[in-house]
Amino acid sequence: NAGVMQNPRHLVRRRGQEARLRCSPMKGHSHVYWYRQLPEEGLKFMVYLQKENIIDESGMPKERFSAEFPKEGPSILRIQQVVRGDSAAYFCASSPRSMQPQHFGDGTRLSIL
Amino acid sequence: KQEVTQIPAALSVPEGENLVLNCSFTDSAIYNLQWFRQDPGKGLTSLLLIQSSQREQTSGRLNASLDKSSGRSTLYIAASQPGDSATYLCAVKDNAGNMLTFGGGTRLMVKP
Repeated sequence: NAGVMQNPRHLVRRRGQEARLRCSPMKGHSHVYWYRQLPEEGLKFMVYLQKENIIDESGMPKERFSAEFPKEGPSILRIQQVVRGDSAAYFCASSPRSMQPQHFGDGTRLSIL
Repeated sequence: KQEVTQIPAALSVPEGENLVLNCSFTDSAIYNLQWFRQDPGKGLTSLLLIQSSQREQTSGRLNASLDKSSGRSTLYIAASQPGDSATYLCAVKDNAGNMLTFGGGTRLMVKP
């Protein structure tokens, strides 16, 4: 029973490019959460999605960042026109229902040159 | 707005010692509290989850306590081993939402 799968594990982008981070939740999980861990900081909540719906995006920057969780396929966190400050580890978690324990993936380390 | 603080930020102990990691939170209206372990460059491994109605949870050499009224939790590690070296994160889920609010973590080093 595979856990939460995130890819790529490492992503390098130049300033101004787009970054796409993918997250496949655990089997049977329809709730996905994205967190960001900046260097030397704790994890911060970004967005919570169910299939085809954004439930809570209160932690997501208003510009350049977007997230989706389509009916078929993985959840995608998209960062447009990346800047150096976007360098961080991005973690995805999933749960079977709301308020259930979240299971975390190994994260995507994003580096901006 | 919930805020979670972990003290100390870093801790170095010799192998075999018993140790306590501290976590405090500002809003006592929590649904549960969870302790995670994070190894360098890796994801999060859940260690213990305490529901708001519980006082403590135990798993092997780990024991986590929760005092909701005072906004505190402790993670007790008995007979520490070098393999326990990692960053330990405390996270709180509030009654109001589904997100986890994390503390800054405690970096633990257990020396042989």
